[in-house]
Amino acid sequence: GAVVSQHPSRVICKSGTSVKIECRSLDFQATTMFWYRQFPKQSLMLMATSNEGSKATYEQGVEKDKFLINHASLTLSTLTVTSAHPEDSSFYICSARSLAGDISYNEQFFGPGTRLTVL
Amino acid sequence: RKEVEQDPGPFNVPEGATVAFNCTYSNSASQSFFWYRQDCRKEPKLLMSVYSSGNEDGRFTAQLNRASQYISLLIRDSKLSDSATYLCVAFTGFQKLVFGTGTRLLVSP
Repeated sequence: GAVVSQHPSRVICKSGTSVKIECRSLDFQATTMFWYRQFPKQSLMLMATSNEGSKATYEQGVEKDKFLINHASLTLSTLTVTSAHPEDSSFYICSARSLAGDISYNEQFFGPGTRLTVL
Repeated sequence: RKEVEQDPGPFNVPEGATVAFNCTYSNSASQSFFWYRQDCRKEPKLLMSVYSSGNEDGRFTAQLNRASQYISLLIRDSKLSDSATYLCVAFTGFQKLVFGTGTRLLVSP
């Protein structure tokens, strides 16, 4: 199956710093990548949809200036959490949809996630 | 009201038991449905798609009832390795997947 990687897998940072998370599709091209956040014992919540070469579309309630998304190529999207605070501590997961994917069936391949802890 | 609702559990069952999970969705325009499995601190992995006609994959059977906006997952002959959280997911169009909070299953020896 298609493989999606994320880096780093785990990060601990101080409050006020910025953290960049990378999401890569390793063996396929992804026109669309998705960023999710999951708090303990809660469901995955879509934060934004990232399309290669265009601006990301953010879900309601997600601050675009705080969560910067860049999808510069068909295999890489990055999420930067700017001026991180303890309440941003969460499990961030990306997913990618294959360029060849049938748009009527949204098969997404998930990365292994990045666990962010802000002190 | 959440768009996809599940009983969080946990469901504690012995090995070999049959267990069923239910899920309801509120958006009648949802197009497709899936069950994902998520292990602790890992990403979700697709278990199976759900069709109105019902579909079976080994010990797993999924069913969709569009009239009642209800989805089910049946696991027969539970194994220890089935212990995980099972996520009910709706594809609402616009490329979006909406996840339920998950139902936790614990299979004991």
